[in-house]
Amino acid sequence: NAGVTQTPKFQVLKTGQSMTLQCAQDMNHEYMSWYRQDPGMGLRLIHYSVGAGITDQGEVPNGYNVSRSTTEDFPLRLLSAAPSQTSVYFCASSGPGQGGPDTQYFGPGTRLTVL
Amino acid sequence: SQKIEQNSEALNIQEGKTATLTCNYTNYSPAYLQWYRQDPGRGPVFLLLIRENEKEKRKERLKVTFDTTLKQSLFHITASQPADSATYLCALGTGGFKTIFGAGTRLFVKA
Repeated sequence: NAGVTQTPKFQVLKTGQSMTLQCAQDMNHEYMSWYRQDPGMGLRLIHYSVGAGITDQGEVPNGYNVSRSTTEDFPLRLLSAAPSQTSVYFCASSGPGQGGPDTQYFGPGTRLTVL
Repeated sequence: SQKIEQNSEALNIQEGKTATLTCNYTNYSPAYLQWYRQDPGRGPVFLLLIRENEKEKRKERLKVTFDTTLKQSLFHITASQPADSATYLCALGTGGFKTIFGAGTRLFVKA
């Protein structure tokens, strides 16, 4: 199992550009989520999905869109990048594990810089 | 307002000693609490979960306590090793698949 994969690892955008961060998991987990991590702050939930076709907003959803057409994939779209979106982005899927049904498995992250 | 606090200052300890990390929360009633380890440039990795009706959980050299009256969890690493150096995150599960993370505490174990 590859677990949770994310692409790209690094990305530099100019203000106003759009892009999609890719996330895929091969564990057949229903629940997937996107977080951003900024220095001195905890992981903050952007959007999450409890299954194909179902998404909902987290704590900091503005400027981001998501869709979930399959169980495996959960892309995150930046509509018009802003410097405030410079961050490290983590995708996670959640399923049965040592931590119970809510054990989260994280991808390696995408480091995004918006100039 | 709801808050999760972990020591923002790094914890420096000598190899072989016990490291104790603290997670305090306010205005939550968590169903469970998780601890994750995060190494530089990598995603968090799950370590331990403790439920609201449990006082203590152990796994090898790791021990977690959960005091819902004090609204606090303590995370202990006994016989610490330099390889334990990392950032440790606590996360509260409030039900409904949403997990709230603390900012983490950096641990440095010196040989």
